[in-house]
Formats: sequence, C-alpha cells, structure tokens
Amino acid sequence: EPEVTQTPSHQVTQMGQEVILRCVPISNHLYFYWYRQILGQKVEFLVSFYNNEISEKSEIFDDQFSVERPDGSNFTLKIRSTKLEDSAMYFCATGQTGEETQYFGPGTRLLVL
Amino acid sequence: QKEVEQNSGPLSVPEGAIASLNCTYSDRGSQSFFWYRQYSGKSPELIMFIYSNGDKEDGRFTAQLNKASQYVSLLIRDSQPSDSATYLCAVGEDSSYKLIFGSGTRLLVRP
Repeated sequence: EPEVTQTPSHQVTQMGQEVILRCVPISNHLYFYWYRQILGQKVEFLVSFYNNEISEKSEIFDDQFSVERPDGSNFTLKIRSTKLEDSAMYFCATGQTGEETQYFGPGTRLLVL
Repeated sequence: QKEVEQNSGPLSVPEGAIASLNCTYSDRGSQSFFWYRQYSGKSPELIMFIYSNGDKEDGRFTAQLNKASQYVSLLIRDSQPSDSATYLCAVGEDSSYKLIFGSGTRLLVRP
C-alpha cells in the first residue's frame, strides 16, 4: 500500500540554524500539507499546497517558514532560523483531492537546542 | 476560533467491551469528519471518515455523526489491548481543506 515517507526521522539543530524537512507524497496525490505537534499538544495545521502554490497557511507559518516542491516528487518544509519553540513533530500529509482523506507520513522529530 | 473538543481521558475499558469516544465541534459549516488513531510517538493513522448524518460501519468501528448537535462519535466493538492509543477527532473546514484536530482521547483496553 502506498505510503507517505518523510526524512529525516529525527533532526537536532542549534537555535538560529536552517532546517529542511522532506516528504515524498503518495504518487497520485495532488494536495500536500504540513502539520506539527508539540509534545503533549494538539496536531496543528501549518500550510496546505496545491498546484505548486500555497493554498492556505496558519498564523504559525510566518516568514521563517517556506514550502516548495523542488523536483515534482519531494515536498519540503524549510525553517530558516529555528527557535526553541519550533521543537515538535512535523507531519507531512497528502490527499488525492482537497475534500478527501489526508494520509500522514511518519513524521520528523525536530529538536532545537 | 474554530474548536474541536474531546475528553482527554483516559477511557479504560475491559477487553471485549465497547469503547465509545466522543467529539464536538464549533463550526456548523464543517462538512467532513475523521477519526485518527495515534500511538505514542507515532503519526496519526486514519481509522474512519464520515460526511453524512447517521452511522457508518467498518469492521469493529462505527462512526456516528449528528450535524444538528455538532457531535461525532466513534464506537469500537470487541475492544482489544492493541486498540490502546490516543484517538484524534479531526474536522475539515467548510471553506478550506485543512483539518482541525481535537486534543485526543486516550483509550486503555485492559486485558
């Protein structure tokens, strides 16, 4: 069964450094999302992406965040200058259409020191 | 602020019993409703989705939706210890495709 994959599984970085989290969506899916989950808290929406542009972003998704689909397969989330409060699990999710189910990848655990 | 509310639990049931998990949502215009299961340290795994009022059954799982009451529930029949996890209710907004998650209900199934 097709799966969403994410790399790396874990990332430790120093405050102020840039990180890039990568996702490979399910092949026929067209809608891509990033969510995050701070330890012990809710899963929170960050951004949705369709047709090579951002469809919607949350208040969390400020100028330090960016997304792109650089090569038609990977979907990346970049954090330019990480803060301590960026420490969380970051989940990529993809969907075949906007209205239907979103399938989540295994996540990247980001720790900012 | 659109909200999805769940009792955090834990809900403890004996093996073989029915577990009933509940969720309320604030946005009356919401159209799609999802239940995800999340094991500790893992990603959300889709259990069921429901779009229309009424019941939807899939194996041991039944989702129930009442849009008038803004209420969605998940019943797990013949609960197994492997069902022990946090169950996340997620609601799709009417005007966008993002999901709004509840904080989850932790289910413990006692052998």
